[in-house]
Amino acid sequence: GAVVSQHPSWVICKSGTSVKIECRSLDFQATTMFWYRQFPKQSLMLMATSNEGSKATYEQGVEKDKFLINHASLTLSTLTVTSAHPEDSSFYICSARGPSGWTDTQYFGPGTRLTVL
Amino acid sequence: GQQVMQIPQYQHVQEGEDFTTYCNSSTTLSNIQWYKQRPGGHPVFLIQLVKSGEVKKQKRLTFQFGEAKKNSSLHITATQTTDVGTYFCINQFYFGTGTSLTVIP
Repeated sequence: GAVVSQHPSWVICKSGTSVKIECRSLDFQATTMFWYRQFPKQSLMLMATSNEGSKATYEQGVEKDKFLINHASLTLSTLTVTSAHPEDSSFYICSARGPSGWTDTQYFGPGTRLTVL
Repeated sequence: GQQVMQIPQYQHVQEGEDFTTYCNSSTTLSNIQWYKQRPGGHPVFLIQLVKSGEVKKQKRLTFQFGEAKKNSSLHITATQTTDVGTYFCINQFYFGTGTSLTVIP
């Protein structure tokens, strides 16, 4: 149980285009999902926290107009990288957490490797 | 959120040797979680520690939460090549800096 999927697993795009990444909790309802970014040989950096039905909370230094997050249902959150540039190339990982009181454990998706040319 | 520091950043050990990574915070932690990320993979939950001085074991892995709840450690006894990966502690959804473990056969 507690499986999280991400789509696509990798994407290559041209500079200036937008890319949408989907994060789904397959066998549980996730009231809270998290989006992380990981550069090579570095730790995961929390970008934003999204709660179903409300606006995402972005970490300091993360541009909310560039990284659009939508958490429209209890099983789906999307991250859209708008007007992507080469410096946005990174490994993007989402995680999902169950309803309050269920567990604090995060279940991570397999990640999406974004390359912007 | 304040990032938790981990040491060492990298560790190379001979297979069969022990390994320990330490997680340190300047503030008191409500709980701490440990995750493992294999090369090219995603983080996988290992354990959560909540109580002061708590010690938990999973086969060859021993996790400890400090009395002051400001530090934690993960100790692996008799490492195996399958232990290769980066070990992260997490506080309130903020990842520590990680310790990358290489096991030399």
